[in-house]
Amino acid sequence: EVQLVQSGAEVKKAGESLKISCQSSGYSFPTHWIAWVRQTPGKGLEWMGIINPYDSDTRYNPSFQGQVTISADKSISTAYLQWNSLKASDTAMYYCARYGPQYSISSGGWFDPWGQGTLVTVS
Amino acid sequence: DIQMTQSPSSLSASVGDRVTITCRASQSISNYLNWYQQKPGKAPQLLIYRASTLHTGVPSRFSGSGFGADFTLTITTLQPEDFAVYFCQQSDTYLTFGGGTKVEIK
Repeated sequence: EVQLVQSGAEVKKAGESLKISCQSSGYSFPTHWIAWVRQTPGKGLEWMGIINPYDSDTRYNPSFQGQVTISADKSISTAYLQWNSLKASDTAMYYCARYGPQYSISSGGWFDPWGQGTLVTVS
Repeated sequence: DIQMTQSPSSLSASVGDRVTITCRASQSISNYLNWYQQKPGKAPQLLIYRASTLHTGVPSRFSGSGFGADFTLTITTLQPEDFAVYFCQQSDTYLTFGGGTKVEIK
């Protein structure tokens, strides 16, 4: 079974750093790009960025460029989302999701499966 | 950016009803449109990809149609487990989501 398992909920203070993770299993990790998606009550679902675990090629939504860093370690089938200095406005649920079809970031793809989500609360 | 507009934002329906949700893109996106279902406290799950292809394991009462800028998700006979929020998402240019449609019990 293909699964993405995310790290647990975090409570942080503004200005602190944070790195959350998304571990994949059930398939060959380098074959699919992995995306991060933010969900808030006010703005809904927003795609933040996407990484190719094979070579760490990363593309960002311009709205999130410079605000977060996406990385991956293919030796442990894990993708990461990182902040250097959190803001209260970063409070949200964050999901990782596998982009299909495999080997492709071209138009026409879809997200499946999704991780269970990581709730980040910044005060 | 391509904007995705879903309607209605919410609806009330009864078990057995036929439900239709629409999604409009701000420009043509070919058939690069996906539908997801999200239940409370859970991650979204893929229902339909490329406008009309049913994802593995999704019941056949779900169907999708459309091309260009206008798309539809139809649930032919609403079941109790279908009460949820439904999102559309385009993958033509970058990746953007609609605002969601909450399907509630009447």
